[in-house]
Amino acid sequence: RKEVEQDPGPFNVPEGATVAFNCTYSNSASQSFFWYRQDCRKEPKLLMSVYSSGNEDGRFTAQLNRASQYISLLIRDSKLSDSATYLCVVNPFTGGGNKLTFGTGTQLKVEL
Amino acid sequence: GAVVSQHPSWVICKSGTSVKIECRSLDFQATTMFWYRQFPKQSLMLMATSNEGSKATYEQGVEKDKFLINHASLTLSTLTVTSAHPEDSSFYICSAFGQNQPQHFGDGTRLSIL
Repeated sequence: RKEVEQDPGPFNVPEGATVAFNCTYSNSASQSFFWYRQDCRKEPKLLMSVYSSGNEDGRFTAQLNRASQYISLLIRDSKLSDSATYLCVVNPFTGGGNKLTFGTGTQLKVEL
Repeated sequence: GAVVSQHPSWVICKSGTSVKIECRSLDFQATTMFWYRQFPKQSLMLMATSNEGSKATYEQGVEKDKFLINHASLTLSTLTVTSAHPEDSSFYICSAFGQNQPQHFGDGTRLSIL
């Protein structure tokens, strides 16, 4: 089983749609969780951290369910510029450092 | 602006060549730098953790003699792919972490070995 699993997609949605991505992680001791965005042939960029209480940043809402080891990202009112690959990222508890484990990413294509 | 600079951004070279990639932290001291590799349609895979002034820690399956890492200062880490072959062609990305800093990624180096 992969440490971080995501549906690779692609998710093709019309502009203005709401889309949700899911992610599961295997290490129950993981401490920190993130969603990154990666555009084609570019480096990943931090989209948002994910907290147990859930958090929202504009059109983006992230949720964490530690009991189910499940993370989600909801994008409302999708824009063409949201087209990218969304990476679920986990910082497993290794006793120190910031060693991140990346999922393979979910590809989103927002269309007119 | 960029806080981690990676150079070069694109390299094309012949099989057998050694290639050096630089990762520099701008405006902060990076006590730890990470080197990742990403093949097409795959996730970023951590290759090694580089701590300033000490030997790098390599992930399982990564050859330390093949991928030489030097972290001689708090702002610079280098990855040298020695005697590169076509199977080493990939997207190499560094990230830097410092005190009171989140992890910042470089903009990556696309390596193509002919």
